[in-house]
Amino acid sequence: DQQVKQNSPSLSVQEGRISILNCDYTNSMFDYFLWYKKYPAEGPTFLISISSIKDKNEDGRFTVFLNKSAKHLSLHIVPSQPGDSAVYFCAASRNSGYALNFGKGTSLLVTP
Amino acid sequence: EAQVTQNPRYLITVTGKKLTVTCSQNMNHEYMSWYRQDPGLGLRQIYYSMNVEVTDKGDVPEGYKVSRKEKRNFPLILESPSPNQTSLYFCASSSPGQDTEAFFGQGTRLTVV
Repeated sequence: DQQVKQNSPSLSVQEGRISILNCDYTNSMFDYFLWYKKYPAEGPTFLISISSIKDKNEDGRFTVFLNKSAKHLSLHIVPSQPGDSAVYFCAASRNSGYALNFGKGTSLLVTP
Repeated sequence: EAQVTQNPRYLITVTGKKLTVTCSQNMNHEYMSWYRQDPGLGLRQIYYSMNVEVTDKGDVPEGYKVSRKEKRNFPLILESPSPNQTSLYFCASSSPGQDTEAFFGQGTRLTVV
């Protein structure tokens, strides 16, 4: 049973606009959430994370929002750039980074 | 350079022929793990290790074995590979605690015919 869900398999956004990627989770014991970016033929690379004691974390163009009551998190990319085109995976852990549970991924395409 | 190294990157094998995919990390991380990536299924957990001689099953451990005899190495063993184990495999390592990230290897593309 998928504990982390990314319900949008793909997303297309124009360059310069905001990209919003969504993620839902079912396990209330999760205490740490991460976003990974993956290009073809490469391993996933870490993008940004947030612990359950926060509701927002920002790093440059990337911001992650956590709504614990709704068991929902989102990744905002502003402004979007063509180089952001990749598959984005949401991940969650209930033991501070051990045993990551991943969503199925959202393929983001940023068009010029 | 901090990295997770998997070998081989590509492997084609036949059903039933035992194989090992190696994984090594140079960051002194306690946690190591294996995932497989399949179309439409995302990344699924195979096995984890919290430290030397400590391993846990993930969501899809059937058909796989692991060992953690040394902190830096975490090999994935397929005793009798089958075609449904054709997949893209990733090894990862991390340290315990929040505000840490898991580092991933480049992946191993395995085809079992």
